[in-house]
Amino acid sequence: DQQVKQNSPSLSVQEGRISILNCDYTNSMFDYFLWYKKYPAEGPTFLISISSIKDKNEDGRFTVFLNKSAKHLSLHIVPSQPGDSAVYFCAAQRLRLIQGAQKLVFGQGTRLTINP
Amino acid sequence: DTAVSQTPKYLVTQMGNDKSIKCEQNLGHDTMYWYKQDSKKFLKIMFSYNNKELIINETVPNRFSPKSPDKAHLNLHINSLELGDSAVYFCASSQIRTGKAFFGQGTRLTVV
Repeated sequence: DQQVKQNSPSLSVQEGRISILNCDYTNSMFDYFLWYKKYPAEGPTFLISISSIKDKNEDGRFTVFLNKSAKHLSLHIVPSQPGDSAVYFCAAQRLRLIQGAQKLVFGQGTRLTINP
Repeated sequence: DTAVSQTPKYLVTQMGNDKSIKCEQNLGHDTMYWYKQDSKKFLKIMFSYNNKELIINETVPNRFSPKSPDKAHLNLHINSLELGDSAVYFCASSQIRTGKAFFGQGTRLTVV
């Protein structure tokens, strides 16, 4: 039962253009969403997050949009740079009162390639 | 100065062996995790510990036994390794409830 889905395994974008990565979820109990970036042979690194009470969060070139009614979130990168080439994971979480009880539920990732 | 470090980075072993993966974090976090990335690239949680106490134990075979000697360390011991255990195992830590976890570089386990 895959609760977080990234339906595009790969995406290729020209340098300087906008990259849009999409993510869908099924569990309406999720209340926090995150994007992680992963280079080969490294662990995922946190990129940006959004609470379910918001619909947009921006950090420099990265913006995450959340559409709760559609259970959909997206990550926009603009302008895209060659260093952005990586695998991007969407993750979702239910906030818990007990520290340590929260867990990240990941999508299967989208490989983004930025072409010069 | 690595925040979450795990050793070894690569581990090749034969079926039936017992092996351990070590993880240490210097972030002062209370919560540590083990995640597994399988051949289909899904990252799934296995265990979480908070202040040395087991909190999350997903449906993982009991051949996998995590041990947390203190809140900065979380080791994973695997008994009687099977071919299907081949995967990349990631250690992670977090402090606040909002789940911003910091991951180690991963341990690629190959069982032959």
